[in-house]
Amino acid sequence: GESVGLHLPTLSVQEGDNSIINCAYSNSASDYFIWYKQESGKGPQFIIDIRSNMDKRQGQRVTVLLNKTVKHLSLQIAATQPGDSAVYFCAESADTGANSKLTFGKGITLSVRP
Amino acid sequence: GAGVSQSPSNKVTEKGKDVELRCDPISGHTALYWYRQSLGQGLEFLIYFQGNSAPDKSGLPSDRFSAERTGGSVSTLTIQRTQQEDSAVYLCASSLFARLNTEAFFGQGTRLTVV
Repeated sequence: GESVGLHLPTLSVQEGDNSIINCAYSNSASDYFIWYKQESGKGPQFIIDIRSNMDKRQGQRVTVLLNKTVKHLSLQIAATQPGDSAVYFCAESADTGANSKLTFGKGITLSVRP
Repeated sequence: GAGVSQSPSNKVTEKGKDVELRCDPISGHTALYWYRQSLGQGLEFLIYFQGNSAPDKSGLPSDRFSAERTGGSVSTLTIQRTQQEDSAVYLCASSLFARLNTEAFFGQGTRLTVV
């Protein structure tokens, strides 16, 4: 859904621990999902994506999990580092028709404690 | 350049003035988005252009806001009679939409301050 008028929730983790950031989506027609990272003063940057024919995808230190049954997406960051501190957004879209635009979730601030 | 370019990077304007914000998407990208982001908050969808389809204007907050995309490339977001609550970072993004959707690439944004 849209993220308007609300301050973002914060997830605080210890450096070196694994982080799990969760996102719920509402559109059952969505079949493409992305995680973005936004550092202070910058535009959001692509981290990893996943299509609905998969339930897990791994990148470098990051894993995205998709549970279509409960419409839930998560981003796992292994061995969290100070440079991972940022705001994280999930985004969803469908590949056809009126749902093709990317819709962003509310965003979560990840704070890494040294 | 290879990325999405937005100009100006910063704009300070007096209340009541009109402003135009420009977005140059990545060449060949058919989809273009405008978002607004207030300090410490999430992304507020404004408008979406996709190819030759009618734009999705459902996120524009008032009739003071309008956007155009000329020739399927450059886009201009216009805010008329600016108000202090319009102060925010305006982000543009573009994506390649062929048979399948792909990730959107964001510009660095235009920080608008209405005084």
